[in-house]
Amino acid sequence: EAQVTQNPRYLITVTGKKLTVTCSQNMNHEYMSWYRQDPGLGLRQIYYSMNVEVTDKGDVPEGYKVSRKEKRNFPLILESPSPNQTSLYFCASSLTQGPYEQYFGPGTRLTVT
Amino acid sequence: GENVEQHPSTLSVQEGDSAVIKCTYSDSASNYFPWYKQELGKRPQLIIDIRSNVGEKKDQRIAVTLNKTAKHFSLHITETQPEDSAVYFCAASKGTGNYGQNFVFGPGTRLSVLP
Repeated sequence: EAQVTQNPRYLITVTGKKLTVTCSQNMNHEYMSWYRQDPGLGLRQIYYSMNVEVTDKGDVPEGYKVSRKEKRNFPLILESPSPNQTSLYFCASSLTQGPYEQYFGPGTRLTVT
Repeated sequence: GENVEQHPSTLSVQEGDSAVIKCTYSDSASNYFPWYKQELGKRPQLIIDIRSNVGEKKDQRIAVTLNKTAKHFSLHITETQPEDSAVYFCAASKGTGNYGQNFVFGPGTRLSVLP
């Protein structure tokens, strides 16, 4: 089954404790992206990747890191989480040459206390 | 950079009526405009999209119109049903060509279809 998976689905952590949210897709998509969803703000892009070893900042990259060492995986790293990073996070993937439909993962609900 | 506005933020309609959601974008280079539907507790899913060389696209009860001159596009849902209740997001591509898949999303519209 074609899918995007994220782990963990729920995470409660404390300020400053490094964490990683994993994202994996099995559709051989070149493009992957991370978004955060906050009430009234829609989906805001954090980082994206056009292919292996090619990453770039989105609209709200501060406090986040990513890596793309393999085509299927695109982990999101919070080196020192802060309460303002409490949010719902979505990973998405798509082809780069079209169609451009983005397939989203199930989401990760992160709470930083 | 690209900025996408979306109105209204909430919309309630009676079952069977039509619903219209409007979006405006700022970057005249945008060439791809998808609409995503997010049901409560679920992930966003594409429902329809339109490219800049097309003025209108229809898929059963859903249609999207695009006015490039005015830089706005709209989602039209006819004969609404309770299962249409969800949050709808419009989006505009950040550029042309291979970056068509890089979007800026609007803030969303919560649609409630009342039985």
